[in-house]
Amino acid sequence: SQTIHQWPATLVQPVGSPLSLECTVEGTSNPNLYWYRQAAGRGLQLLFYSVGIGQISSEVPQNLSASRPQDRQFILSSKKLLLSDSGFYLCAWAYSGANVLTFGAGSRLTVL
Amino acid sequence: GIQVEQSPPDLILQEGANSTLRCNFSDSVNNLQWFHQNPWGQLINLFYIPSGTKQNGRLSATTVATERYSLLYISSSQTTDSGVYFCAVAPTGGYNKLIFGAGTRLAVHP
Repeated sequence: SQTIHQWPATLVQPVGSPLSLECTVEGTSNPNLYWYRQAAGRGLQLLFYSVGIGQISSEVPQNLSASRPQDRQFILSSKKLLLSDSGFYLCAWAYSGANVLTFGAGSRLTVL
Repeated sequence: GIQVEQSPPDLILQEGANSTLRCNFSDSVNNLQWFHQNPWGQLINLFYIPSGTKQNGRLSATTVATERYSLLYISSSQTTDSGVYFCAVAPTGGYNKLIFGAGTRLAVHP
């Protein structure tokens, strides 16, 4: 069966520090991968998606970047965090060409 | 871009009550999913339902694609049903980039 892992689960970082959130999927190959952000009390916003290694599409201009160095690994990064980067970050995957997205448990980021 | 509106924004129920949550969307979609977000933030997939009707235990969903709305029914609600229910859609074409509604926050009291 397929599983999706995200880490760290919780992170508290000072303004101006770097960020790296990691997402991996097991049990499948060539998945579509997605990063979403959820601000407190709100819905989810798509940040990035990827259909293959090295292929990243950004949905909104922001202080964050994404990379896909391996088939089942998706990384969300920032060189210098802003207060507005605080939120709940969720990674999701779907079979290439299929429709159902499955989400990881999320990473809660607080920038102080 | 496509707009997704969910109603009601908040709902309070007594255990055992039934409820209907609504999702309206502004354009044609080839993907519609209902999710339940539990108190720990985990998004649980309830239904993939771009059209038609599905049932899973006490939950059922109906999407009328031609009229651009979907309904989620919860029967005999339990306290464990509490949380936020999201509707998410992806427009026709593209890579299933789901666009989420703002959610319905449900509280079920014993």
